[in-house]
Amino acid sequence: DAGITQSPRHKVTETGTPVTLRCHQTENHRYMYWYRQDPGHGLRLIHYSYGVKDTDKGEVSDGYSVSRSKTEDFLLTLESATSSQTSVYFCAISEAQGNEQYFGPGTRLTVT
Amino acid sequence: AQSVTQLDSQVPVFEEAPVELRCNYSSSVSVYLFWYVQYPNQGLQLLLKYLSGSTLVESINGFEAEFNKSQTSFHLRKPSVHISDTAEYFCAVSDAGGTSYGKLTFGQGTILTVHP
Repeated sequence: DAGITQSPRHKVTETGTPVTLRCHQTENHRYMYWYRQDPGHGLRLIHYSYGVKDTDKGEVSDGYSVSRSKTEDFLLTLESATSSQTSVYFCAISEAQGNEQYFGPGTRLTVT
Repeated sequence: AQSVTQLDSQVPVFEEAPVELRCNYSSSVSVYLFWYVQYPNQGLQLLLKYLSGSTLVESINGFEAEFNKSQTSFHLRKPSVHISDTAEYFCAVSDAGGTSYGKLTFGQGTILTVHP
């Protein structure tokens, strides 16, 4: 299994609070991605990174920001959580374009 | 922009029966195609992928998929399913161009349930 972890694995938070999810890899892969999974929508890309401090928006980036200060860590921040951000969040890594993306175990976030 | 449509949200089958999970995509550029599988309460795992070359690709556990460019399809098949194949399956597409950064666009998912 690829060395990719996510923390926390579960979180319940209140509307309006900031939340940061962490993705950590030990594979030294260049590319990192944050997806959210919702029933009927599959997985949708939130943000991605193609190197340290190189990030860009995905399909559903509103309300989210990211940072990557080290190769191994990719942080996803919800500045002010809303109920619509209740979801399962997956981090993925990839060594090169066209290569397999390896997925983390996911973080289940509930915003009440 | 790309899009992926998985034509069946749920597919129930009996053990040892054949199965086909359908996937169609839309793209104006060349693409890479993937099938991922997700077992309950787990992350996604790659099942198989098409990058170039032979249009028929196979996985180690008996699944196969055929890239059909004219029909923009990448259907997943298995001639005889097992109980352990019960999972959700996702078709995904990536732009094969140099600036796509490997981003994936996923279909909505198909839940395969294998009954004894």
